[in-house]
Amino acid sequence: GDSVTQMEGPVTLSEEAFLTINCTYTATGYPSLFWYVQYPGEGLQLLLKATKADDKGSNKGFEATYRKETTSFHLEKGSVQVSDSAVYFCALTEAAGNKLTFGGGTRVLVKP
Amino acid sequence: DTAVSQTPKYLVTQMGNDKSIKCEQNLGHDTMYWYKQDSKKFLKIMFSYNNKELIINETVPNRFSPKSPDKAHLNLHINSLELGDSAVYFCASSQSGFRNTIYFGEGSWLTVV
Repeated sequence: GDSVTQMEGPVTLSEEAFLTINCTYTATGYPSLFWYVQYPGEGLQLLLKATKADDKGSNKGFEATYRKETTSFHLEKGSVQVSDSAVYFCALTEAAGNKLTFGGGTRVLVKP
Repeated sequence: DTAVSQTPKYLVTQMGNDKSIKCEQNLGHDTMYWYKQDSKKFLKIMFSYNNKELIINETVPNRFSPKSPDKAHLNLHINSLELGDSAVYFCASSQSGFRNTIYFGEGSWLTVV
């Protein structure tokens, strides 16, 4: 079946540092890929998405590129802020079923 | 305007009770979902409805019964609550088509004591 693997956290950074969260996937077909973010005590928000190979999703300074050859969708941000402290989830959907398969989440803590 | 809204946001209840969580979406979507997030933040789909019809039913105890009165509403009823049911339950919606974005509600934090 489908699966998503992302790096375990927590990831602790200083403000203005560079953030990378690795995400790789296994899928039988050609999935769409998503990053969702969950701020403390809140629900899930879509951060960005990409639906085909080499697409780059971007939002709020975050970027991720759909790499079919390496089955990866790594999340990056050039300069993080304290307000970026959250749990980040990589996820995919496939044509076989309109459902999201999530990675385990990566907690990011940005210190001033 | 909240796109996907669910109530209640917090629920503390005793073992053995029956409770319901309600969900409504105003996005005009035809598909709605329930996801469960456990204490380790792991997220897994429970159910999915398309135009009021059940299309995904993962391995969930039959104490959990979803009900979709129309395509804008999807409720979750839980019978005989157990300690292990404590979790965050997220309602979500999308337009059918796997490349479409799934939008989530703010979650319902259920604690069974």
